[in-house]
Amino acid sequence: AQKITQTQPGMFVQEKEAVTLDCTYDTSDPSYGLFWYKQPSSGEMIFLIYQGSYDQQNATEGRYSLNFQKARKSANLVISASQLGDSAMYFCAMREAAYSGGYQKVTFGTGTKLQVIP
Amino acid sequence: DAGVIQSPRHEVTEMGQEVTLRCKPISGHDYLFWYRQTMMRGLELLIYFNNNVPIDDSGMPEDRFSAKMPNASFSTLKIQPSEPRDSAVYFCASSLMTVYNEQFFGPGTRLTVL
Repeated sequence: AQKITQTQPGMFVQEKEAVTLDCTYDTSDPSYGLFWYKQPSSGEMIFLIYQGSYDQQNATEGRYSLNFQKARKSANLVISASQLGDSAMYFCAMREAAYSGGYQKVTFGTGTKLQVIP
Repeated sequence: DAGVIQSPRHEVTEMGQEVTLRCKPISGHDYLFWYRQTMMRGLELLIYFNNNVPIDDSGMPEDRFSAKMPNASFSTLKIQPSEPRDSAVYFCASSLMTVYNEQFFGPGTRLTVL
């Protein structure tokens, strides 16, 4: 089974509109972190936002928010008021404590390509 | 801090040659990761180190690949001999030790094997 699933290979959004990028995860570890990264066409990987497994409130960073639904194992990224500069590839990632394995595990999803339309 | 530093930024080599990619993590970070990104396979974790010790190398594709971290401020990923299918962007990332810490990525090395 995939540890991180991003079901939307590509999405379009109108400038100034909000958009939600989906991410579901699979883990049996109680301690884990969920992360979103942005990769523009220039290639660098940029950290956007993080959610810890024990966090009670959804994380927010400026125009980015993470809709964390623990029971459903989903961690969707919401971008409000989209801008042309938001056009990029977006990756969801999970970092697990992996108590049984004795070492941490890090998994990235396959990414969603977002295009913002003027 | 200067962030994660990778060199070279671009490497073009011929099949059969040895390639060495270099990474300097952010000072104070406990973990160092090596990733490979291709259109076909996406972002793959190759290996990671904790306090200079290799922890999980299950993602290393084959024996032609090796990675070392001789000290806390330097790591190398070596491919010997290189093959055209190794052409990819190789990222190095570093982080603090808990699962709640994000990874900081370097700019990547674009490797082309002819």
